[in-house]
Amino acid sequence: EVVLTQSPGTLSLSPGESATLSCRTSQSVSGSYLAWYQQKPGQAPRLLIFGASTRATGIPDRFSGSGSGTDFTLTISRLEPEDFAVYYCQHFGTSREFTFGPGTKVDIK
Amino acid sequence: ELQVVESGGGLVQPGGSLKISCGASGFTFSGYWMTWVRQAPGQGLEWVANIKADGSEKYHLDSVKGRFTISRDNAKNSLYLQMNSLRVEDTAVYYCARMRYSPSGSYHCYMDVWGRGTTVTVSS
Repeated sequence: EVVLTQSPGTLSLSPGESATLSCRTSQSVSGSYLAWYQQKPGQAPRLLIFGASTRATGIPDRFSGSGSGTDFTLTISRLEPEDFAVYYCQHFGTSREFTFGPGTKVDIK
Repeated sequence: ELQVVESGGGLVQPGGSLKISCGASGFTFSGYWMTWVRQAPGQGLEWVANIKADGSEKYHLDSVKGRFTISRDNAKNSLYLQMNSLRVEDTAVYYCARMRYSPSGSYHCYMDVWGRGTTVTVSS
């Protein structure tokens, strides 16, 4: 099973700043099966990025994903007030199981 | 509108059983893999189970194998999770989600349509 580690645990930033969120996998994986989700309090997760770098429908272009192998990054440029949330990376493994990272909380400084 | 709506959550005693459901609308349910994901209070997301579009393949998290069973009824556009021998640690919001899974060609797998969740509380 692939273990996902996200850092930092919490990121305190101001609106307008950029956020860089890291997701590391315990072994090299295909970026095709790496996704990112946003979750706000009391809401269901929302798909942001799939295939490591493809934005989902309706996701603003200030969200971008990159990476390969064991290191993946979600970048949010110019944080908007609605972007303060928890972000999870997710991998789909060869045994057809999903694993999620523990999440990074982006909060207002 | 693409939509999935969970139902059937509630309070159950340890060792008890519960079956939760998910109704789908706005898309051809029988054409998609589906999945259950849970979130314990104040915790992160945890995958629980997947089922293939035609129901012929099912996969479960190790800690729920033998206790939980995912199933579907394509004629009713519905997904289910039968939960037996429930434990306090199964307390969570259970989300139903549509999977977009392509094992060949443009390889990808992710969850693109989520419900609001149904709360399962296991407590005496």
